[in-house]
Amino acid sequence: AQKITQTQPGMFVQEKEAVTLDCTYDTSDPSYGLFWYKQPSSGEMIFLIYQGSYDQQNATEGRYSLNFQKARKSANLVISASQLGDSAMYFCAMRERTGGFKTIFGAGTRLFVKA
Amino acid sequence: EAGVTQFPSHSVIEKGQTVTLRCDPISGHDNLYWYRRVMGKEIKFLLHFVKESKQDESGMPNNRFLAERTGGTYSTLKVQPAELEDSGVYFCASSSPHSDSYNEQFFGPGTRLTVL
Repeated sequence: AQKITQTQPGMFVQEKEAVTLDCTYDTSDPSYGLFWYKQPSSGEMIFLIYQGSYDQQNATEGRYSLNFQKARKSANLVISASQLGDSAMYFCAMRERTGGFKTIFGAGTRLFVKA
Repeated sequence: EAGVTQFPSHSVIEKGQTVTLRCDPISGHDNLYWYRRVMGKEIKFLLHFVKESKQDESGMPNNRFLAERTGGTYSTLKVQPAELEDSGVYFCASSSPHSDSYNEQFFGPGTRLTVL
């Protein structure tokens, strides 16, 4: 079974608008962490934001926020005020306490920001 | 502070040949990880070193893959003999010795391997 599902292979957004990238996850471990990474065309993986399963508040980092809905097992990334430089591949990922340090990734969503 | 580096950035080899990928983690990071993304699929965990010891190698696909980290610094991932299905991008990541499983893993730029 897929542990991390990203249903949007590609997304378009107009510059300066907000965009939501979907992510659902599947785990029976009560303790886990959720991550989003950005991969620009240069190839490196850039850490964006982290949400712990016991965190009460949604994580925010600048223009990035994570809409964490635990009951729905959903961890959507919201990018506000999109910029051209946000065009990239975005990966949702999870680490389970029982899984140690192993990161499980989704298939990714390619975001295109239009001028 | 230098990030995780990987060499080469690209490698094109023929089926049956041997390729060795190298990863230099961030200085002082005891934890080193290898991941790979084959075309169109998810990034998959391969293995995790703590210093020179293999902590978890559950993701290694088969015995054609050999990872080493002698001395606990840089790591190599050798594929011998390479097969067509080994084509993809191989990522290395590292994290600090004070990491728990939630701490940030810093990724390198990846090595794109093409097997013809």
